[in-house]
Amino acid sequence: AQSVSQHNHHVILSEAASLELGCNYSYGGTVNLFWYVQYPGQHLQLLLKYFSGDPLVKGIKGFEAEFIKSKFSFNLRKPSVQWSDTAEYFCAVNARNTGFQKLVFGTGTRLLVSP
Amino acid sequence: DSGVTQTPKHLITATGQRVTLRCSPRSGDLSVYWYQQSLDQGLQFLIQYYNGEERAKGNILERFSAQQFPDLHSELNLSSLELGDSALYFCASSVGGGKDTEAFFGQGTRLTVV
Repeated sequence: AQSVSQHNHHVILSEAASLELGCNYSYGGTVNLFWYVQYPGQHLQLLLKYFSGDPLVKGIKGFEAEFIKSKFSFNLRKPSVQWSDTAEYFCAVNARNTGFQKLVFGTGTRLLVSP
Repeated sequence: DSGVTQTPKHLITATGQRVTLRCSPRSGDLSVYWYQQSLDQGLQFLIQYYNGEERAKGNILERFSAQQFPDLHSELNLSSLELGDSALYFCASSVGGGKDTEAFFGQGTRLTVV
């Protein structure tokens, strides 16, 4: 079974700082990878996803993530964060050709951006 | 707005009680998924319904049950509540039932058991 680790539970940054949130997964086969964001009081929404192809994935709001297969990692990055990026970020994985019900989420990273 | 509606937004109840959480999926979506989000365990998949029938089961306790009605809305019933059931309960919906890789989440119901 797959598992997902997000090692940073809380991250505090100042505006304009660069962001990198770690995500490692455990699964021997081919995977789909996702990052979701949950702004305060709102629903989870998809930031970006990787199925195949270019391992550098661009998402919404200036976020990107890089899939490094040899490291089983899918780290989320943003060059310059804004106060509005304050949210909780979830990495998720499922095996290729399985459905949403098989998606395994990490425990999340709470990001606080101070103005 | 994701198009998925959950009610109520907040619920406070006592141990031993029973509650019902409601989820209305996006228009046209046939699948509803239920998740429990607690501080220590993150987002845990509970159960999926597709077009009225149970499709997949995750870490759902026997005290919990769900159903999906002909109009496709779903209800999650939690009974004999314990303090540890306090959590945020999300539902999500997607078009299909098998290989959908994306679903849309509601805003959740925060359940507090006292």
